[in-house]
This record gives sequence, structure tokens and C-alpha cells, in this order.
Amino acid sequence: GQNIDQPTEMTATEGAIVQINCTYQTSGFNGLFWYQQHAGEAPTFLSYNVLDGLEEKGRFSSFLSRSKGYSYLLLKELQMKDSASYLCAVRDVGGSARQLTFGSGTQLTVLP
Amino acid sequence: DTEVTQTPKHLVMGMTNKKSLKCEQHMGHRAMYWYKQKAKKPPELMFVYSYEKLSINESVPSRFSPECPNSSLLNLHLHALQPEDSALYLCASSQDWQGAGGPSTDTQYFGPGTRLTVL
Repeated sequence: GQNIDQPTEMTATEGAIVQINCTYQTSGFNGLFWYQQHAGEAPTFLSYNVLDGLEEKGRFSSFLSRSKGYSYLLLKELQMKDSASYLCAVRDVGGSARQLTFGSGTQLTVLP
Repeated sequence: DTEVTQTPKHLVMGMTNKKSLKCEQHMGHRAMYWYKQKAKKPPELMFVYSYEKLSINESVPSRFSPECPNSSLLNLHLHALQPEDSALYLCASSQDWQGAGGPSTDTQYFGPGTRLTVL
């Protein structure tokens, strides 16, 4: 089974840096994804990590430590449009399936 | 292009109605998914189709019936739904869930969803 934890809510100021943490306990692991979801819209793919280390994509970076079951999403130079829910999702390889299990999401509010 | 389209955007139906949700992608993806998402909750997997065959059914009630007519289309047929089935229904697709292309090719891309209200 999968257990994924992330904070429920975070608040930060425009222009600042925020780090959203995700911890997971899984029976199998084949990658961790971060998605951004604005209210009432579809999740949008942000990043993918399968090996330890940092992946950088513009203002967004994601880090993974498989031994610690830990990942974080780092958002720099925050903008108001970054206010959204951020979903951490782990891909399993149990059986013949590559299923994604999502955490409950972190609602980020960016204040002016 | 990473576009997945879904129709309709909004649907209101009674408990005795029959309706269908549609999903389409033209990215050549061979895996397609249906998720259900309630407000302030994460998406929950309902069904997975791989190469047009149903590979995963997450114990979904039979009032939800998926169909994959071809590799680009995915339907969800709805019949005799309950008010608690009201939710955002998301379709997603990925390139090759069986892994021949490697794990990084298996990113799931989501459509905009259908907001379903059952009265």
C-alpha cells in the first residue's frame, strides 16, 4: 500500500521562496510526480523524480531522497498565479500496474 | 502537444438518467485513465485502459461503465447514479504504461474534467 503525507495548507508572500514537503511510505516505488491544480481545473504536470537529487525547471525545482522517502517542491520568485493546490503523487509497480497514488494536496496561498 | 480534451465541461443529471462522458487525446498515448475527484480531495483512480483493454477497475460500482472505442477515445457511461457521485471526473493519458519506453515516458496528462452534478 501507499501512504503519502504533505502539509494541508501553506501561505507565502509574492516574490518569496516556498518549499512544499512530501513524505511517502510505499510497498514499491517507481517515481514521484508533482502536479499543480487550480481550483476547479485539471492537475498540470510539474516535475518527475525517480533518482535521488534535484530536478530544476525554471522557477520550480523538485528534490527526491529515496532512502528517506522524502521529496520537496521548491517554488522561487512566487507569483500570485502560483496560488493553487500542489499534489505529490507516487507511482507504484505493484503487480502489472503503474498506478499513481496522490497525496491530499497542499493548498498554497500567495499573498501580495 | 500535451492536450487531453473532455466533454461536456458540466453535466447535471437525475438519478434515472443515462449519460456519457467523453475523453480524447491525439498524443499517441496507449494508456488512458478515469479519475474521480471530490472537492478538496486528491484524484481517485477508477479505471485504467492499456492498449484499449481494461487493465484496472478499482472496485468501481457498475453504474459506471467505461469504454475505449479506439486508442484515442475513452468514454464513461453513467446510469442510475447517486447524489454522492457528484464530483469532478478527470481523464488522463500516458504514453506507455507498460514501460517499454522507460518510466519517464509514463507521465500522466490530465484533461480539464467534467463537473458532474447528480440531483
